[in-house]
Amino acid sequence: SAVISQKPSRDICQRGTSLTIQCQVDSQVTMMFWYRQQPGQSLTLIATANQGSEATYESGFVIDKFPISRPNLTFSTLTVSNLSPEDSSIYLCSAARQGAETQYFGPGTRLLVL
Amino acid sequence: SQQGEEDPQALSIQEGENATMNCSYKTSINNLQWYRQNSGRGLVHLILIRSNEREKHSGRLRVTLDTSKKSSSLLITASRAADTASYFCATADAGNNRKLIWGLGTSLAVNP
Repeated sequence: SAVISQKPSRDICQRGTSLTIQCQVDSQVTMMFWYRQQPGQSLTLIATANQGSEATYESGFVIDKFPISRPNLTFSTLTVSNLSPEDSSIYLCSAARQGAETQYFGPGTRLLVL
Repeated sequence: SQQGEEDPQALSIQEGENATMNCSYKTSINNLQWYRQNSGRGLVHLILIRSNEREKHSGRLRVTLDTSKKSSSLLITASRAADTASYFCATADAGNNRKLIWGLGTSLAVNP
């Protein structure tokens, strides 16, 4: 298994500001993903974080709004830019090892935008 | 993206009873997975069943898969209060098994 930590665990932000979420994995993994989970809803994949290159974004998500970095195999950041109340959600980081089909999840970051 | 659908959306049972949750999906899959989420926290992988398997067991969990009906069920036997959580199915597309498509989830409450 892999242990994944996320910082911050929660935050309250003002509209128009940005929040950067950090995801740290305790061992090298091939794939890292960022999800959004709106209150009481399922998970929606934002993007796949690629080491050393631009993330692969899903339909409806763009780099200007959700810039992602992945400088190495164990660390990634997601920034949610120009925040609006509609961005209030839980943001989850996950990771998968080479050839593995299951994902390990971080504890999530709960964001409230006022 | 396509999503699976789970039913029921919410389930409340007494400790010791069995809980059954269902998941339907739309595309051809490589595998189907079940995850548990406690109180809006991170998800924990429970069990994976491949498209060529029909049934799988893990402890008190039993998963079935019917690819002709594009559906799966998760049975939790002898439920405990600690099983209270949301349960999600996720399918790995046959064409891209790295990307998971998530169901809407079933919220299970096990009452002591």
